[in-house]
Amino acid sequence: DTEVTQTPKHLVMGMTNKKSLKCEQHMGHRAMYWYKQKAKKPPELMFVYSYEKLSINESVPSRFSPECPNSSLLNLHLHALQPEDSALYLCASSQGNRGGQPQHFGDGTRLSIL
Amino acid sequence: GDSVTQMEGPVTLSEEAFLTINCTYTATGYPSLFWYVQYPGEGLQLLLKATKADDKGSNKGFEATYRKETTSFHLEKGSVQVSDSAVYFCALSGNDMRFGAGTRLTVKP
Repeated sequence: DTEVTQTPKHLVMGMTNKKSLKCEQHMGHRAMYWYKQKAKKPPELMFVYSYEKLSINESVPSRFSPECPNSSLLNLHLHALQPEDSALYLCASSQGNRGGQPQHFGDGTRLSIL
Repeated sequence: GDSVTQMEGPVTLSEEAFLTINCTYTATGYPSLFWYVQYPGEGLQLLLKATKADDKGSNKGFEATYRKETTSFHLEKGSVQVSDSAVYFCALSGNDMRFGAGTRLTVKP
């Protein structure tokens, strides 16, 4: 069982909908990450939160809006997505965001945009 | 910048065969190295890690040794099982996490 929990597991939405992806960890990690993974590709980093503050935004379109309400939770708010945004969205956490630390991943939310 | 190159495959083996998946890296400084495995429909699971030169990471029969002189971290297993079928990612962590392209392994009975 993964120690990083993501909900929902699957999400189908229209281009005009607003939805949110949720991620939770109880390992006391202080860094949390959102990745996007297309089929047969490695994960691509989207956002990094360190001690609940956004530290990295990899030039992600504004239709993706991250939020970190507390050290255990990470949300990704979605609005006006495009069909090319269909992908597996992975959340990960690590003890800190210093280099050298392993990241622990959730099972992801598979997102389909109609 | 830092980068990871791994053999892309796909790799198909018979059960009990020997597995090697090559991984080389380019980095400034002294990164930590990881192998992650992704089973169908799941996220990435940390398989093993090594934090400094000559470290050997091992888990579930898989091994990899951090070779600074050849900038490599090849994954090996002596006898694969059908349940090892998955995608394997080599990764390094310097200032951030960099993943290789992934290698799909299929093991046939």
